[in-house]
Amino acid sequence: QVQLVQSGAEVREPGASVKVSCKTSGYTFISYYINWVRQAPGQGLEWMGIINPSGGSTNYARKFQGRVTMTRDTSTRTVYMELSSLRSEDTAVYYCARDTNMGLGWFDPWGQGTLVTVFS
Amino acid sequence: DIVMTQSPDSLAVSLGERATINCKSSQNVLSSSNNKNYLVWYQHKPGQPPKVLIYWASTRESGVPDRFSGSGSGTDFTLTISSLQAEDVAVYYCQQHYSTPRTFGQGTKVEIK
Repeated sequence: QVQLVQSGAEVREPGASVKVSCKTSGYTFISYYINWVRQAPGQGLEWMGIINPSGGSTNYARKFQGRVTMTRDTSTRTVYMELSSLRSEDTAVYYCARDTNMGLGWFDPWGQGTLVTVFS
Repeated sequence: DIVMTQSPDSLAVSLGERATINCKSSQNVLSSSNNKNYLVWYQHKPGQPPKVLIYWASTRESGVPDRFSGSGSGTDFTLTISSLQAEDVAVYYCQQHYSTPRTFGQGTKVEIK
């Protein structure tokens, strides 16, 4: 079955970077875009951006442009999300989620989530 | 950006009673090319990733109990739980996938009264 398995929890100091991975299985990797969504404590869901694993093209939410980089490794079927210049407000659970329709669909399934904690 | 606004922010419903959640988009999310509403509902429980309940505004995902239903078109949508069960305690989100950036409602927390 389709699975997205994310890397484990991370702790970073303010100003540092974090790179979260999302390893996929159970489907043709290059056929489905991957989205990244985060949820800060007590907050709602926030879309960060999307990557096309086929060519690597990306589209980032305005809020994260300049700080986020999404990449993929087709040999390992893994997508990565790197967030730099971390601040305490970036403490959140980060999810990857497969797009159901070439960047025009809803998100299904989701990874299990990765908690990133930023504190000094 | 399309702003999604849910109401209420939270609600407490007795077991077996109906729960109704509203979602309003700041712009139309009905596509004229395929007559589909680009609106999805998710259920989110603590410690789990969100789960799709309803897509295209009214199509129930496979395996989702039929007490969940979605309705609406254009800018106004509703998620209804016809008979609330204990396992339905969660936060529910609507999301539009009509345009980028994808945007979510702020969430509605459903609890047992």
